[in-house]
Amino acid sequence: TQLLEQSPQFLSIQEGENLTVYCNSSSVFSSLQWYRQEPGEGPVLLVTVVTGGEVKKLKRLTFQFGDARKDSSLHITAAQPGDTGLYLCAVTYNQGGKLIFGQGTELSVKP
Amino acid sequence: DAGITQSPRHKVTETGTPVTLRCHQTENHRYMYWYRQDPGHGLRLIHYSYGVKDTDKGEVSDGYSVSRSKTEDFLLTLESATSSQTSVYFCATDPGLAVTDTQYFGPGTRLTVL
Repeated sequence: TQLLEQSPQFLSIQEGENLTVYCNSSSVFSSLQWYRQEPGEGPVLLVTVVTGGEVKKLKRLTFQFGDARKDSSLHITAAQPGDTGLYLCAVTYNQGGKLIFGQGTELSVKP
Repeated sequence: DAGITQSPRHKVTETGTPVTLRCHQTENHRYMYWYRQDPGHGLRLIHYSYGVKDTDKGEVSDGYSVSRSKTEDFLLTLESATSSQTSVYFCATDPGLAVTDTQYFGPGTRLTVL
């Protein structure tokens, strides 16, 4: 059984602080996606990573894909209240596999 | 944004009653999915469809059935609702071209079973 864990589950910070969210798998995965979900809405894709060691940037968000293809991190620089939401990682374990979601990290950024 | 709508958006029902949730898409995507979202569990796959009349079970399929008679519509049925099926249900679609395809999610249906 593949396990996908995110940490921390909850994070409350002040505007301007930096933060990192982690996604760890018990097995090697073939691809990983990060989604963001606002209250009352469905998740929206932020990024897809497929190559071990890959780093992608999206404005103040930096996504890293571990060399061993078993972990990923999302780093937010100078967080803003608009970053508040649930951040979900999702992986596929083989080419024909379905997305498996982590339990999510609930981020609250206070002004 | 992919045009995905879900109906109803909110529903309260009683234990033992049948419930059907509808997902409608306008993107002509091949794959459609039903997930449930519960605190501490993220999103868990219930059933998915890879074409008209082609469906398969997901991680938490017990107590649920699905049907897809048209590309644009994917129905989720709870034959006899139980309190453990109280949840937020999300429909998602993707083009079915690659495993790294983006999944596009609907706005969700909040179901309460009393």
